[in-house]
Amino acid sequence: DGGITQSPKYLFRKEGQNVTLSCEQNLNHDAMYWYRQDPGQGLRLIYYSQIVNDFQKGDIAEGYSVSREKKESFPLTVTSAQKNPTAFYLCASSNDRSGELFFGEGSRLTVL
Amino acid sequence: KNEVEQSPQNLTAQEGEFITINCSYSVGISALHWLQQHPGGGIVSLFMLSSGKKKHGRLIATINIQEKHSSLHITASHPRDSAVYICAADNTGNQFYFGTGTSLTVIP
Repeated sequence: DGGITQSPKYLFRKEGQNVTLSCEQNLNHDAMYWYRQDPGQGLRLIYYSQIVNDFQKGDIAEGYSVSREKKESFPLTVTSAQKNPTAFYLCASSNDRSGELFFGEGSRLTVL
Repeated sequence: KNEVEQSPQNLTAQEGEFITINCSYSVGISALHWLQQHPGGGIVSLFMLSSGKKKHGRLIATINIQEKHSSLHITASHPRDSAVYICAADNTGNQFYFGTGTSLTVIP
């Protein structure tokens, strides 16, 4: 079955450490996104990519980095520069023709 | 002001009740999405619509483009419908604006 796989589901990090969240899709979608979800707020866009080897900053990109070396993969690195990294992170992709959105199961990051 | 506003924020219903969740948006859209998020966190797409009405089982979504308003209805609600329902406006070019969600609890 086609879909989006995020890993790990839960992650604990010490302050000052970088951590990378994985996102893989087998839907053959060009567009991929990373969102952050905090209680009481809508999903906020961190980064998005519309094609391999290209990506753009979203509304809250500071302290995050991404790469898009393959169509299937869009990993997100939460760097030590991110001041408040504890959150739920969602990866998504969209069908370029229909516009339909697909989401992964999310990764919950806790900084200790 | 948020581009997408949902109401109510929280909703508790008895099993069997008819439920309505509302979404208003202020941006131009190519489509409006209704999403469902279960306690585990994963999100699934329920509907994508750009006009009129769509129905899937007990769920119905409507949109009024002129009024920039959409509603999600659940008929004969069931405890398994308990989830957070999120409205998202697709502002063309793969840019999405999300509401803060409506947390629905259906009591047996």
